[in-house]
Amino acid sequence: NAGVTQTPKFQVLKTGQSMTLQCAQDMNHEYMSWYRQDPGMGLRLIHYSVGAGITDQGEVPNGYNVSRSTTEDFPLRLLSAAPSQTSVYFCASSRDSFYGYTFGSGTRLTVV
Amino acid sequence: AQSVTQLDSHVSVSEGTPVLLRCNYSSSYSPSLFWYVQHPNKGLQLLLKYTSAATLVKGINGFEAEFKKSETSFHLTKPSAHMSDAAEYFCVVGMGGNTGKLIFGQGTTLQVKP
Repeated sequence: NAGVTQTPKFQVLKTGQSMTLQCAQDMNHEYMSWYRQDPGMGLRLIHYSVGAGITDQGEVPNGYNVSRSTTEDFPLRLLSAAPSQTSVYFCASSRDSFYGYTFGSGTRLTVV
Repeated sequence: AQSVTQLDSHVSVSEGTPVLLRCNYSSSYSPSLFWYVQHPNKGLQLLLKYTSAATLVKGINGFEAEFKKSETSFHLTKPSAHMSDAAEYFCVVGMGGNTGKLIFGQGTTLQVKP
């Protein structure tokens, strides 16, 4: 049982490059979210989804896109990387609003 | 609007002594509340959750938390700290509805001294 799988674990980008952070879960969860974690700021919600084909913005969506074509996958796209996007990114999934989320192990992204 | 405040950014205890991590929340309705733990360079693990059932919630690894509506608090406790408890702890409130959105506190770093 893999849970929530994030790839890659580490990535270095140059300013202006684009990339996609992958997230997949095998628990048939409807709810999926992307968070970024920065020192002293806890985790902040970027985008979330309540089911295939349904996505919405969180607290810090600028510079990021998402789509949810299947229940299992929820990729996060950085359109044009900026140094301010240097962070640790976590994907999470849950079966409903009250169950509690299962988190992936994170992607550490550095933009130079 | 919902919000969550962790009252201590850093807590230091000796091994074998009690742990208290404090959390206050603000919510316009009965909230869902969670505590997560993050060990260094790891993902987050759910310790326990409150979803309007029993006010005293037991979690994994001997942790428990008590929901006190009158004080809008959800403090995390453990009777006896272990070295392996050293980690970052997050108090989290669910925004409710069908969004599944979570609001995280800033985190409390727990240091356990031998």
